[in-house]
Amino acid sequence: AQKITQTQPGMFVQEKEAVTLDCTYDTSDPSYGLFWYKQPSSGEMIFLIYQGSYDQQNATEGRYSLNFQKARKSANLVISASQLGDSAMYFCAMREGLGNQFYFGTGTSLTVIP
Amino acid sequence: DTGVSQDPRHKITKRGQNVTFRCDPISEHNRLYWYRQTLGQGPEFLTYFQNEAQLEKSRLLSDRFSAERPKGSFSTLEIQRTEQGDSAMYLCASSPTLTGRTDTQYFGPGTRLTVL
Repeated sequence: AQKITQTQPGMFVQEKEAVTLDCTYDTSDPSYGLFWYKQPSSGEMIFLIYQGSYDQQNATEGRYSLNFQKARKSANLVISASQLGDSAMYFCAMREGLGNQFYFGTGTSLTVIP
Repeated sequence: DTGVSQDPRHKITKRGQNVTFRCDPISEHNRLYWYRQTLGQGPEFLTYFQNEAQLEKSRLLSDRFSAERPKGSFSTLEIQRTEQGDSAMYLCASSPTLTGRTDTQYFGPGTRLTVL
């Protein structure tokens, strides 16, 4: 089974609008971390936001927030007030327990329309 | 604080040749990771170092692949007898152990390998 599933290959959003990128995960370990990365066309992976499995509140970092629904095993990324520079690939990732291996999804390509 | 750097950024080689990539992590980052990313996919874990010790290797890492981190600072990834299926982006990442965001990996710009 896939550890990380991103079901939206591509998404479009109007500039200044909010957009939600979906991510579901699969683990039996009670301790895990969830991450979102942005990969522009230049190729470099840019860390956006982190959520720990024991965190009580949803993580927020500026315009990024993570909608963490533990029972549903989902960790959706919400980008508010989209900007043209947000156009990129977005990857959800997970680390299980104390393991050193990170599992990435297949990504969602976001295009912001002016 | 400089980021993770990788060299070269692009490499074109003929099938059967050996190639070596270098990664310089963020200074004082104990942990170093190598990933491979093919078109349309997310990064796939290859191997992990804590300081100079290679503590974890993926099943993806065939015998033709070897990685080192001799002094616990920079790392090299060598691919011997390259095959066309090795064509991919090779990403390096590092993370701190004792301070800062210990869970977060910081990625380099990658080395794009094309095997002809």
